[in-house]
Amino acid sequence: EPEVTQTPSHQVTQMGQEVILRCVPISNHLYFYWYRQILGQKVEFLVSFYNNEISEKSEIFDDQFSVERPDGSNFTLKIRSTKLEDSAMYFCASSGEWAFFGQGTRLTVV
Amino acid sequence: GESVGLHLPTLSVQEGDNSIINCAYSNSASDYFIWYKQESGKGPQFIIDIRSNMDKRQGQRVTVLLNKTVKHLSLQIAATQPGDSAVYFCAVRDGGSYIPTFGRGTSLIVHP
Repeated sequence: EPEVTQTPSHQVTQMGQEVILRCVPISNHLYFYWYRQILGQKVEFLVSFYNNEISEKSEIFDDQFSVERPDGSNFTLKIRSTKLEDSAMYFCASSGEWAFFGQGTRLTVV
Repeated sequence: GESVGLHLPTLSVQEGDNSIINCAYSNSASDYFIWYKQESGKGPQFIIDIRSNMDKRQGQRVTVLLNKTVKHLSLQIAATQPGDSAVYFCAVRDGGSYIPTFGRGTSLIVHP
């Protein structure tokens, strides 16, 4: 069964540091997404990516965030200068008919 | 923007009972609805979907009902099992976007 894979599963970083979260979407999907989930809360949309550019983004996705598809398989989320409130689970998803989610990266900012 | 809410944050049932999880949405332009299951420490997992031109769709032990008049959908799980314990999210998509918007989540607890 096809799946979305994310690395690392857990990332601990110091406040102010840059982090890059990586994702390998399902190969024949065209839409890619990043969501985040703060502990105990709902899954929040960050950004969608289609045809090598951002198609939609939420107000959470400010200038500290960027996404990139550096090659034909990887899809990355970069947080330029992490804040304590960036601590959350970050989910990558890709979609054909519906969105398939990865297992997530738990980001802990200390 | 889309607002998706759930009526109950936690639902406790006995093993073997049927479970019903409800979800309300606000955008009448929503045309595609998805239920996801999220187990602890994992990403959301697709369960079942339904389009706005349908009222009911059945899967294996799960049924989704859509009432567009009152903007409400429900997930019914038959013969609930301990493995069904998880948080269930409804997600809604409108015709102009591929992006699912998630509701708050209902925690289903199944007691053996």
